[in-house]
Amino acid sequence: IQLTQSPSSLSASVGDRVTITCRATQGINSYFAWYQQKPGKAPKLLIYAASTLQSGVPSRFSGSGSGTDFTLTISSLQPEDFATYYCQQLNSYPLTFGGGTKVEIK
Amino acid sequence: EVQLVESGGGLVQPGGSLRLSCAASGFTLSSYWMQWVRQAPGKGLVWVSRINSDGITTTYADSVKGRFTISRDNAKNTLYLQMNSLRAEDTAVYYCARGRTGLDYWGQGTLVTVSS
Repeated sequence: IQLTQSPSSLSASVGDRVTITCRATQGINSYFAWYQQKPGKAPKLLIYAASTLQSGVPSRFSGSGSGTDFTLTISSLQPEDFATYYCQQLNSYPLTFGGGTKVEIK
Repeated sequence: EVQLVESGGGLVQPGGSLRLSCAASGFTLSSYWMQWVRQAPGKGLVWVSRINSDGITTTYADSVKGRFTISRDNAKNTLYLQMNSLRAEDTAVYYCARGRTGLDYWGQGTLVTVSS
């Protein structure tokens, strides 16, 4: 299953609403996750099962979608949210990741 | 506190071997599916291998099948990745991670550089 993530990068300001999308080449039974990665650090799980917020993750992050189309939304971008975001499908092996979206400061 | 600590990375010549270790603490490794994920310098995340909680079922990316072997030592609570016949394209930071429906804990990563 290939994942096409868009956009590959975006510039946004603090307080903006940001949406990142991921499209799969086959339907996924909600085994879908989103991660945040900062330079030099390991990825951090934000969302699993397409829409379940991982413990400790701020509520401004939300996930939605089903089938082949999934979305990560940051409702009000904060300074600590500038990072690269990856989607991942865990429905079938080999597991695959999207190409990443780099969120930069405008 | 759950922790994963990788070790074993380094510089190796093409065709060489390395064994990566991932020491787990704060949880019992054998109760979870475990994964290896790698990231080439400046590139995205790529899944490498997994081992089920049964310790028997393993799966590999096509790019490493037949060259890499995932295993674990329950007594040491440690996950391994034996890497043989290494190629330049295997150069990456290797992460171990826990999970099946979402990778909720990751190690800090260990850098493997394959170069002559």
